[in-house]
Amino acid sequence: GAGVSQSPRYKVAKRGQDVALRCDPISGHVSLFWYQQALGQGPEFLTYFQNEAQLDKSGLPSDRFFAERPEGSVSTLKIQRTQQEDSAVYLCASSKDRGRETNEKLFFGSGTQLSVL
Amino acid sequence: GNSVTQMEGPVTLSEEAFLTINCTYTATGYPSLFWYVQYPGEGLQLLLKATKADDKGSNKGFEATYRKETTSFHLEKGSVQVSDSAVYFCALSSGGYNKLIFGAGTRLAVHP
Repeated sequence: GAGVSQSPRYKVAKRGQDVALRCDPISGHVSLFWYQQALGQGPEFLTYFQNEAQLDKSGLPSDRFFAERPEGSVSTLKIQRTQQEDSAVYLCASSKDRGRETNEKLFFGSGTQLSVL
Repeated sequence: GNSVTQMEGPVTLSEEAFLTINCTYTATGYPSLFWYVQYPGEGLQLLLKATKADDKGSNKGFEATYRKETTSFHLEKGSVQVSDSAVYFCALSSGGYNKLIFGAGTRLAVHP
């Protein structure tokens, strides 16, 4: 596709359920970021991949959050035993660059809105 | 730690009015500064950027100047249009992997 694709667009989960959120970056993009955007707030960094390597996971809020990108393209963010505070929009972004220019050519998906009841 | 503070919204303006959205930052080192825009139903898009002090970023009639002495990067536009209605996010990038730190966002509503 032409842009970053995320699925599902909306996800409703019962507290305690596990969820998996998918990101299809633009083909050939090296850098991939996940951000969490709570209602009325700016996005907050979760984790960064360069190809298949997860180089920074300092933003993951707990060990219930896990991300992978096994073949250096599609990425999955998994949340185990979801809690109400996990309700947010989860954004994926990709870039063909890996250095200082990464954010100058960063493309965001439309996000997955997760609601935990 | 690094942080970004921007003025709270919503900002409501009439078409052709002058726009200012204030943004200040706290950072170690020499961050790059950005304004992103989120139109209804769409993903975040880069609006403009500045990578060093005194740089002016500009795009679509919007501009912002990187002011190191006041740690600010205020967004301005001389004459807004209804199509500018969106949420605007100020952000900085620093560190080895260039992760972005965003402000809370400012919603702009422009009326005819």
